[in-house]
Amino acid sequence: GENVGLHLPTLSVQEGDNSIINCAYSNSASDYFIWYKQESGKGPQFIIDIRSNMDKRQGQRVTVLLNKTVKHLSLQIAATQPGDSAVYFCAENLNSGGGADGLTFGKGTHLIIQP
Amino acid sequence: GAVVSQHPSWVICKSGTSVKIECRSLDFQATTMFWYRQFPKQSLMLMATSNEGSKATYEQGVEKDKFLINHASLTLSTLTVTSAHPEDSSFYICSARRAGAQQETQYFGPGTRLLVL
Repeated sequence: GENVGLHLPTLSVQEGDNSIINCAYSNSASDYFIWYKQESGKGPQFIIDIRSNMDKRQGQRVTVLLNKTVKHLSLQIAATQPGDSAVYFCAENLNSGGGADGLTFGKGTHLIIQP
Repeated sequence: GAVVSQHPSWVICKSGTSVKIECRSLDFQATTMFWYRQFPKQSLMLMATSNEGSKATYEQGVEKDKFLINHASLTLSTLTVTSAHPEDSSFYICSARRAGAQQETQYFGPGTRLLVL
């Protein structure tokens, strides 16, 4: 779908606390999901991914949860640090079986870590 | 590994001129590269898929004659914004997927900021 709107949702978290960023994806046929972090003026940076045959995947300080029933994806960041401040995007990919498809990005959430 | 670069990082041009942006995969080969556009405080929107040795596939609403894409090698794709106008001012970001990977994460370049006066 089209991403419109001038204001990104904002999540403000105290340094050291855990944060949860949520994302609703649009295509029930999507089978691969990625979380990206984007700092101001830079390209997206890969954080973690998950395939549709899983419902949870853990990385270093990050965990992604996938609920296919309600088409919901979440990113949990443990013990947040000032460097975690950025805009976080979820992205979905449909494996069409033959071609390589681009990603469909969610609207993004601006995470602010307060000292 | 998996570093993607873009050049230039920013460009200012006059209305009516053409601008070429390069996207390179530095340490891997990419048969497929993607071009996205991002307006301020908005998400990334896929513009086109660039396949090495074949024509690019454009998303609905993206003019192929305005945004020319060339993917001449496994490590380089170029996007040329022809006859640029102020409304083309945006942040253009490319990504690359490793050759042979049917479904693997895309690695993004640092983006190119275009300002058309």
